[in-house]
Amino acid sequence: SAVISQKPSRDICQRGTSLTIQCQVDSQVTMMFWYRQQPGQSLTLIATANQGSEATYESGFVIDKFPISRPNLTFSTLTVSNMSPEDSSIYLCSVGLASNQPQHFGDGTRLSIL
Amino acid sequence: GESVGLHLPTLSVQEGDNSIINCAYSNSASDYFIWYKQESGKGPQFIIDIRSNMDKRQGQRVTVLLNKTVKHLSLQIAATQPGDSAVYFCAERRVSGAGSYQLTFGKGTKLSVIP
Repeated sequence: SAVISQKPSRDICQRGTSLTIQCQVDSQVTMMFWYRQQPGQSLTLIATANQGSEATYESGFVIDKFPISRPNLTFSTLTVSNMSPEDSSIYLCSVGLASNQPQHFGDGTRLSIL
Repeated sequence: GESVGLHLPTLSVQEGDNSIINCAYSNSASDYFIWYKQESGKGPQFIIDIRSNMDKRQGQRVTVLLNKTVKHLSLQIAATQPGDSAVYFCAERRVSGAGSYQLTFGKGTKLSVIP
């Protein structure tokens, strides 16, 4: 499976600021996804990061709040904009090598907003 | 809406015993199911998967059972070890356009192994 690296691994931010999270994969992958995992809860898909086009967002998530880039097949970024304490979560990047194979996850970015 | 859920949020098992973690799903069109293990401070780690044309699949010390009639999925861990302590998530796949797919995750079960 692919090796997925996320930066930063954790951060503490002030409300109203923005943070960009990077996801780097050691090989080209077809699909990249961004998830949110609120404390003690399950994973919720934010969006599918599409290479060369706008990301596809799930219900409840919008581009203005979570802009996503995917400039190539090995890299994506998620920005959490105008942060509030409710945005305190783990943000996880995952990759899919093929539609009939499991997604694999990075170790996430633990974000706390004061 | 359609969802994936779990019967038991927590499970405590004696070391050496077998563990069974259950999951109910509601989307009858789901065709692929995955179990993940998440240890503290880490991302979910793939354990085993199963497609809807199967009812059982075995791995090393793990077995996944799929009952499509009652939309139920289970993960069995044989001879549970302290290293198995983690949160376990089931996930189901729904297929969308252009060959992509999204996973819907269940709530998670925390497995604690008692030495």
